[in-house]
Amino acid sequence: AQSVTQLGSHVSVSEGALVLLRCNYSSSVPPYLFWYVQYPNQGLQLLLKYTTGATLVKGINGFEAEFKKSETSFHLTKPSAHMSDAAEYFCAVSDKGYSTLTFGKGTMLLVSP
Amino acid sequence: NAGVTQTPKFQVLKTGQSMTLQCAQDMNHEYMSWYRQDPGMGLRLIHYSVGAGITDQGEVPNGYNVSRSTTEDFPLRLLSAAPSQTSVYFCASSTRGQGSYEQYFGPGTRLTVT
Repeated sequence: AQSVTQLGSHVSVSEGALVLLRCNYSSSVPPYLFWYVQYPNQGLQLLLKYTTGATLVKGINGFEAEFKKSETSFHLTKPSAHMSDAAEYFCAVSDKGYSTLTFGKGTMLLVSP
Repeated sequence: NAGVTQTPKFQVLKTGQSMTLQCAQDMNHEYMSWYRQDPGMGLRLIHYSVGAGITDQGEVPNGYNVSRSTTEDFPLRLLSAAPSQTSVYFCASSTRGQGSYEQYFGPGTRLTVT
């Protein structure tokens, strides 16, 4: 069985500060890893994904994540936060990439001026 | 392509009522899934299908039924709604082909059971 742990249900940063959202996973097979963002009262938008190959993955809106197999982690970062980044972020894992997802419980990112 | 569509967008039910949440996709995807989203719980898998005529249970299947008679449609049925089923429901589809490794999500249905 797969599982995802997101450390911190809420993360607060100042505008311009580094964003770091943590995600650790458990998987018995090589994982496919995803980060989704959800703005208030909206659906899910894919930020980035790791399938195979390069472990540093770049996504939309300046976000990136690094797959570290030894640490079973897939943390999401952005060098400089914008007010528009305020949203809920979900990390997810899949065993086949195209099959179902197991989600973490989400991290709400709060950005203050 | 319309992608993944869900109807209705909002629904209020009384305890014990039944209803069907509709999900359709026009991408010829073989995989379709239903998730529910609750505050602090993330999204949890209810049921999924790997093709027409094939369905299976996810993490939280109790109280829900599904069937998949066509590739395009994957309705979710609540036979006797309970307040615990108040949630936001997302349908998703994906394909093994093309190496896309991406789930396409619908806009969601917000269900309130009183």
